[in-house]
Amino acid sequence: GQQVMQIPQYQHVQEGEDFTTYCNSSTTLSNIQWYKQRPGGHPVFLIQLVKSGEVKKQKRLTFQFGEAKKNSSLHITATQTTDVGTYFCAGLTGGYQKVTFGIGTKLQVIP
Amino acid sequence: DVKVTQSSRYLVKRTGEKVFLECVQDMDHENMFWYRQDPGLGLRLIYFSYDVKMKEKGDIPEGYSVSREKKERFSLILESASTNQTSMYLCASKRSYEQYFGPGTRLTVT
Repeated sequence: GQQVMQIPQYQHVQEGEDFTTYCNSSTTLSNIQWYKQRPGGHPVFLIQLVKSGEVKKQKRLTFQFGEAKKNSSLHITATQTTDVGTYFCAGLTGGYQKVTFGIGTKLQVIP
Repeated sequence: DVKVTQSSRYLVKRTGEKVFLECVQDMDHENMFWYRQDPGLGLRLIYFSYDVKMKEKGDIPEGYSVSREKKERFSLILESASTNQTSMYLCASKRSYEQYFGPGTRLTVT
């Protein structure tokens, strides 16, 4: 079945440093989504990428979708303590939009 | 605001019990999902439903069943709970592409 790999699993950064998490799918995706889960909370939708090579920005967050639609990345510039949490990518395929989540990257920001 | 609610935040059950986890959404969404979340494994899809009385198996359906008699309600059933079903269970709903998650139910099977 479809697999979505995500690395790294954990990342500790000093506040102000950049952070990147990567997502790779074993199959071509129709679209990819990113979610953020704060400690003790539930996943919250951040963004969806649909087009090959697409790049989207949300303030300090930059999301990319690969040309082959099999990989994606989330980059955070100048991390803040409010960025703490687990970031999940989720790949979508098929007519019913079956979603496969990566295992997530847990980000810790050291003040 | 979309609201997805789950019947319990914490639940403790004994091995062999039948367990019902309820999920209700208030935004008339067609699609609903059940996931379990375990450390190091992320979110894994158990079942999803794209319409009333319609269901599709996800990646890990073994040991679970679901029921969707009304559009707003999606139930996850553990027919005979086992200790390896101890986990955080998350329900989600969506209309177009964005999934809205409930707060989760932390189930412990002893």
